[in-house]
Amino acid sequence: GAVVSQHPSRVICKSGTSVKIECRSLDFQATTMFWYRQFPKQSLMLMATSNEGSKATYEQGVEKDKFLINHASLTLSTLTVTSAHPEDSSFYICSARDWEGEEYNEQFFGPGTRLTVL
Amino acid sequence: RKEVEQDPGPFNVPEGATVAFNCTYSNSASQSFFWYRQDCRKEPKLLMSVYSSGNEDGRFTAQLNRASQYISLLIRDSKLSDSATYLCVLNRDDKIIFGKGTRLHILP
Repeated sequence: GAVVSQHPSRVICKSGTSVKIECRSLDFQATTMFWYRQFPKQSLMLMATSNEGSKATYEQGVEKDKFLINHASLTLSTLTVTSAHPEDSSFYICSARDWEGEEYNEQFFGPGTRLTVL
Repeated sequence: RKEVEQDPGPFNVPEGATVAFNCTYSNSASQSFFWYRQDCRKEPKLLMSVYSSGNEDGRFTAQLNRASQYISLLIRDSKLSDSATYLCVLNRDDKIIFGKGTRLHILP
């Protein structure tokens, strides 16, 4: 299957700093990427849908000024957590949709980034 | 009411046994259905799609009942490596919505 990478895999930062997470589709072009957050023992929650060349669409309750998404190319989307606080500590997962030739556009998930804010 | 409901478990099942999970969904406009598997601290991976006609892949069988709005997953001859969290997932209006997952422990 298609491969999606994320970097970094783990980050620890101080409260008030900003953290950037990269999501890359390695062997296909992804016009749409998704960002999820998963707290311990909870389900994945969609934060936003990132479309190449346009503004991201945020889910209700997700602050767009806090979680900045940039999808500047067909293979790269970035999520920046600005002024991170301990409650932002979570597992952030991106996924990308491969549009080529599939009736159902399977989403391929990155390995996730574990953010810990001290 | 959550859009996707699953029994969180855990299900503790001896190796070789058959185990079944159900999942219910509330929005009849949901279009596609899937089971994903998630290992601890890892990303979810697609296990199989779910159709009304039923879908079998080796030891795994999935079924969709649109009238009752539930989907099921049956695992036969369970292996130790089947231990994971199984996520019920649906696609509605181009959004992927995840259930909370059912934890499965296969006991040796």
